[in-house]
Amino acid sequence: DIVMTQSQKFMSTSVGDRVSVTCKASQNVGTNVAWYQQKPGQSPKALIYSASYRYSGVPDRFTGSGSGTDFTLTISNVQSEDLAEYFCQQYNSYPLTFGAGTKLELK
Amino acid sequence: DVQLQESGPGLVKPSQSLSLTCTVTGYSITSDYAWNWIRQFPGNKLEWMGYISYSGSTSYNPSLKSRISITRDTSKNQFFLQLNSVTTEDTATYYCARAYYFDVWGAGTTVTVSS
Repeated sequence: DIVMTQSQKFMSTSVGDRVSVTCKASQNVGTNVAWYQQKPGQSPKALIYSASYRYSGVPDRFTGSGSGTDFTLTISNVQSEDLAEYFCQQYNSYPLTFGAGTKLELK
Repeated sequence: DVQLQESGPGLVKPSQSLSLTCTVTGYSITSDYAWNWIRQFPGNKLEWMGYISYSGSTSYNPSLKSRISITRDTSKNQFFLQLNSVTTEDTATYYCARAYYFDVWGAGTTVTVSS
């Protein structure tokens, strides 16, 4: 199985900051990576697919980048509503696998 | 808009089978995509369980071995999860979701395995 490693379980930020959430795949997954945002009591919401493509309606302050094994979700000008948990996921091979998540918190 | 909604018992006894339904509205499950089951354990770890494709083919996570079955009823635009021989470790929130990159999710349903 491909292991998706999100090394930071928690990240502290302030409103208006720029923050980068990282995800490392245990083997090459090309650009077959998606990112999700999950708030407490809600289901995950898809933000990014194919590593860098934003879904319609996702604010442009969310940017995905990377290929191969290293991926980043960058949030520019963090807003209070962005405080949530973020998960990466690979869909290059089965079984499909997720990172363990990174919680974005206020400093 | 396409919407997915999970339903089923919230409590299952150990060794019994867990059965859930995902009802899809706004899109036919026979048109395209894979239709997935995903679960989230306490502590938030996510696990992909398997899918049934628009053509009816299935793929399962090997970690679930022979315990899992995903089927569908195209007349009702629903697909189903059956997980056999459950233990307390199957306690989780169960989601259905569309496509390999999970672009649309249901709200989830919490299943507790307990005697």
